[in-house]
Amino acid sequence: QSALTQPASVSGSPGQSITISCTGTSSDVGGYNSVSWYQQHPGKAPKLMIYDVSDRPSGVSNRFSGSKSGDTASLTISGLQAEDEADYYCSSYTNRVLFGGGTKLTVL
Amino acid sequence: QVQLVQSGAEVKKPGASVKVSCKASGYTFTSYGISWVRQAPGQGLEWMGWISPYNGKTNFAQNFQGRVTMTTDTSTSTAYMDLRSLTSDDTAVYYCARDKSSLWGGNWFDPWGQGTLVTVSS
Repeated sequence: QSALTQPASVSGSPGQSITISCTGTSSDVGGYNSVSWYQQHPGKAPKLMIYDVSDRPSGVSNRFSGSKSGDTASLTISGLQAEDEADYYCSSYTNRVLFGGGTKLTVL
Repeated sequence: QVQLVQSGAEVKKPGASVKVSCKASGYTFTSYGISWVRQAPGQGLEWMGWISPYNGKTNFAQNFQGRVTMTTDTSTSTAYMDLRSLTSDDTAVYYCARDKSSLWGGNWFDPWGQGTLVTVSS
């Protein structure tokens, strides 16, 4: 059982928007602006997509955005593209790093 | 460009130890931390711990306290992760990743190494 809770799977059609949730507690997600999101394609290393809840690293498409409300963080992908199909992991970092169990995104 | 290149796959017997290396290039090695994350087959990500190449400080996940050692060699910009008393549950891909901070860790990670498969089998 992972420390942070994510849905096992989400799906959407090309061009649509989807949101992946990540629920923790007031001791991690809810207590700090320390949430990141990673994208992982099969057989590849994870890639940072969002850090500090809503900041995007250079080179990451602005179709990816992050937010937080209470103990739940969210990753939204707008204008879905086939290449977005991957596993997505949230992470909370305070004095330790916690990951969610991962969400498989299927682009229909 | 910033790059982390890890050592090759390993096969170990239960009870043995494994040492994985991670060579950094394209940035000042001591300005960032290095975190280690593992992923068992078909499973999610698990953070193991962090080390500062700047001052050697470490921060380990509770699950690995006493069984993992992390070191760095600043002369070659290489980080090492040593895991002892291996069991089949340690079969996983082990990743190193550049950590945001060289002063306290872990944080967010960018980029990641390509991963090293460690298989533990009798």
